[in-house]
Amino acid sequence: DAGVIQSPRHEVTEMGQEVTLRCKPISGHDYLFWYRQTMMRGLELLIYFNNNVPIDDSGMPEDRFSAKMPNASFSTLKIQPSEPRDSAVYFCASSRDTPGATNEKLFFGSGTQLSVL
Amino acid sequence: ILNVEQSPQSLHVQEGDSTNFTCSFPSSNFYALHWYRWETAKSPEALFVMTLNGDEKKKGRISATLNTKEGYSYLYIKGSQPEDSATYLCAFYNQGGKLIFGQGTELSVKP
Repeated sequence: DAGVIQSPRHEVTEMGQEVTLRCKPISGHDYLFWYRQTMMRGLELLIYFNNNVPIDDSGMPEDRFSAKMPNASFSTLKIQPSEPRDSAVYFCASSRDTPGATNEKLFFGSGTQLSVL
Repeated sequence: ILNVEQSPQSLHVQEGDSTNFTCSFPSSNFYALHWYRWETAKSPEALFVMTLNGDEKKKGRISATLNTKEGYSYLYIKGSQPEDSATYLCAFYNQGGKLIFGQGTELSVKP
């Protein structure tokens, strides 16, 4: 399996533009997570899905952020409009079962480095 | 707010030294404690997932222990090597259903 695949690896955009980040989880994994990495806050959970259904989006910073998972093999995180403070590395991760279960670990994608100018 | 605290924030050791660092988490509603290793320019990779009080896990020179009653876990590295240089993250999972990460301990091993 190729692992969790994220695209693009790098995104540079101007303030006000729409940004869409993409993620393909590992086949057979029922859980998908979006995290944001910043110096100030570390790895922050934004939203997670179970069987394509959003379970908890309380970490999404504001209405400018939205996430979808139309099927088991694809998810998007959209920022519209983007702002400079959104600049961060955005990670997607997947797991076969809940991370609370024995030996169930997260597999991370390579991340998207977002720079909003 | 669930706080996961890691200490120290950074650590510099010589090759061959053994080292350890701490992860503190809320002791109530505990489900699991994860450790991840994060090398620069790469993605975090899982080391251990522990679910039971008293759990001890080992992978090569790296081992971890878990105390859910007092809310802490230790990660040990025996005979550190330069390739062990990375940020080590712990993450706590409770009944709320979220995996919450600490800020990490940045380890640098000098040859």
